[in-house]
Amino acid sequence: GAGVSQTPSNKVTEKGKYVELRCDPISGHTALYWYRQSLGQGPEFLIYFQGTGAADDSGLPNDRFFAVRPEGSVSTLKIQRTERGDSAVYLCASSFSPFSYNEQFFGPGTRLTVL
Amino acid sequence: SQQGEEDPQALSIQEGENATMNCSYKTSINNLQWYRQNSGRGLVHLILIRSNEREKHSGRLRVTLDTSKKSSSLLITASRAADTASYFCATDDDMRFGAGTRLTVKP
Repeated sequence: GAGVSQTPSNKVTEKGKYVELRCDPISGHTALYWYRQSLGQGPEFLIYFQGTGAADDSGLPNDRFFAVRPEGSVSTLKIQRTERGDSAVYLCASSFSPFSYNEQFFGPGTRLTVL
Repeated sequence: SQQGEEDPQALSIQEGENATMNCSYKTSINNLQWYRQNSGRGLVHLILIRSNEREKHSGRLRVTLDTSKKSSSLLITASRAADTASYFCATDDDMRFGAGTRLTVKP
């Protein structure tokens, strides 16, 4: 595709439910990043993949959050036992190689609302 | 905690005026990047400046980097209403963003 895509664009769920958010990076981009952003705040780093492996997952807030990228392309962010505080826009970005050397291309985000 | 922190938090100017935003960081870097976010969704990359560069231009944008002060500034000249957005800096060190500067350009 032409850019980073994320699905769904909006997700409403109930507290305690499990959700999956999907990110399709730009073809050929080896690095993939997940962020979440609350209203009025900057993007909060969650996890960074280089290829299939999580190179840095230090931003994941707790063990309810998990992300995979099994084939080094599409990534899924999984949130178990959702809480109201998880409500935010979840942003995905990709870059040709690590952030250190290249710009990130961001997707439009998934707005998650936990009721 | 984030590496790059922007100030001011908010800036309101008239169309045609220049806007200056600042970014401070804590540790040594290889590069620093500026991004714009228009509507609370995806960020758009504006410019990357490397640690061995002091100034870089791109259209109406001018970025400076002072590694001795661990700071960078983004100048938007001849601002337009369409420049209204939030602006963020991030360093290569940890891929983290600050809270951003919310720029409002009044027509």
